[in-house]
Amino acid sequence: DVKVTQSSRYLVKRTGEKVFLECVQDMDHENMFWYRQDPGLGLRLIYFSYDVKMKEKGDIPEGYSVSREKKERFSLILESASTNQTSMYLCASSPLSGRPGTDTQYFGPGTRLTVL
Amino acid sequence: AQSVTQPDIHITVSEGASLELRCNYSYGATPYLFWYVQSPGQGLQLLLKYFSGDTLVQGIKGFEAEFKRSQSSFNLRKPSVHWSDAAEYFCAGKPSGGYQKVTFGIGTKLQVIP
Repeated sequence: DVKVTQSSRYLVKRTGEKVFLECVQDMDHENMFWYRQDPGLGLRLIYFSYDVKMKEKGDIPEGYSVSREKKERFSLILESASTNQTSMYLCASSPLSGRPGTDTQYFGPGTRLTVL
Repeated sequence: AQSVTQPDIHITVSEGASLELRCNYSYGATPYLFWYVQSPGQGLQLLLKYFSGDTLVQGIKGFEAEFKRSQSSFNLRKPSVHWSDAAEYFCAGKPSGGYQKVTFGIGTKLQVIP
C-alpha cells in the first residue's frame, strides 16, 4: 500500500514564526502536492512538484514556499506564519501524470496548524 | 474556468436509505474524474475514478458513479447507506491527458441518522 506520512498531526505556532511541514511518501512517486483545506472552500492547491528540485505554484502560493531535495520528501515552509494560515494542510503524491490511471492522488492524514 | 462543482454542501440520509451525491464538471473533452472520501480526522481516500470506457464505474465500499456527458455530471451513488459512511466526499477532475493538475470540488458532508 502507498503510504504518505506527515510529520505532525497537530501543530501550534506563534505569529511570525517560521514553520516547516514535512511529507514523506514511500512509493517512488514523481508528483507531490501540498493543499490546504478550509470549511466551505474545499481543497486548494498551494504548490506541487513533479520532480526533485522542481516546483510549480498552485492556486494560493502566497506566504508559502516549498523544498524537494529528495524524491520521497516534500516540505512546505511558512516563512512568517500568520493567523490566516491556520488551517488543515494535506500532502499528497501521485505517479507521473499524463497516462490514464496515473492521476490518482494518495493523501497523508493531514496536519492541523494553529497560528496564535 | 475548468472546474468541478458540488452543489450540495451538506446532506442527511437515514441509515439503509439510498444515496446520491451530485458532481458537475466543466471540461471541454472527456475529463478524468474522481471521487474521494475523507473520514473525520483523516486524509482523503480514493473511492473510484473514470478515465474512459464504461460510463458506470464501481468503487470501493459499495459505491458507484455514472459519467453522463449530456449532463456534464459524475454523480456518486450507494443503494444502502451505513452509519460508517458518514464523512465528507470530494469530487475531483482534470482534463484528459497532459500534465494538468486535478481540481477538487468543495466537498459534500454526509450525515447518517439512525
